[in-house]
Amino acid sequence: ETGVTQSPTHLIKTRGQQVTLRCSSQSGHNTVSWYQQALGQGPQFIFQYYREEENGRGNFPPRFSGLQFPNYSSELNVNALELDDSALYLCASRPGQGNTEAFFGQGTRLTVV
Amino acid sequence: GESVGLHLPTLSVQEGDNSIINCAYSNSASDYFIWYKQESGKGPQFIIDIRSNMDKRQGQRVTVLLNKTVKHLSLQIAATQPGDSAVYFCAENRGDYKLSFGAGTTVTVRA
Repeated sequence: ETGVTQSPTHLIKTRGQQVTLRCSSQSGHNTVSWYQQALGQGPQFIFQYYREEENGRGNFPPRFSGLQFPNYSSELNVNALELDDSALYLCASRPGQGNTEAFFGQGTRLTVV
Repeated sequence: GESVGLHLPTLSVQEGDNSIINCAYSNSASDYFIWYKQESGKGPQFIIDIRSNMDKRQGQRVTVLLNKTVKHLSLQIAATQPGDSAVYFCAENRGDYKLSFGAGTTVTVRA
């Protein structure tokens, strides 16, 4: 167990809807990153939050947004869902911004129909 | 474009044998590398990491080798066990905020 928990574990949404995924980071970790993992692929970086500020973003459209709270937990929001958004969404926490091990949660499996 | 990739998508290993999983990277500026193991239905699990100022690092039953000259990374698993069956990813850190993953190698351990 990594101490990173995500909710929900599974979710089914309809195209065009909005979804919020949640992540509770490991105690003492102030950096949270979100990744999208399509079936059979490696995780793709979406964005990272450090002390409640977004400080890095991958090649994802603006309808992917996030938040980090004072307790360092985080949310990933996706608007106007598309079928291609179906994937495993992973949250990873780190103790800082430097090159350190990232601990992943078990992920949220999102299916868009 | 620059990417992290693995040489083989699948690897079948006899239980008790040693496994070697390879990874090629193209960004010479990357300075930190991690190997992850992902079992079905779970998130990636940290195995071992290595910084660019090192050539080799050992853990429990695992060894990571880094060859910066040819931009190659490998993970060696000693005495492979059935519980080692999983998808293995190498990841590189290209900045202070992003891990870039390859597509993964599926390791199957034969009894």
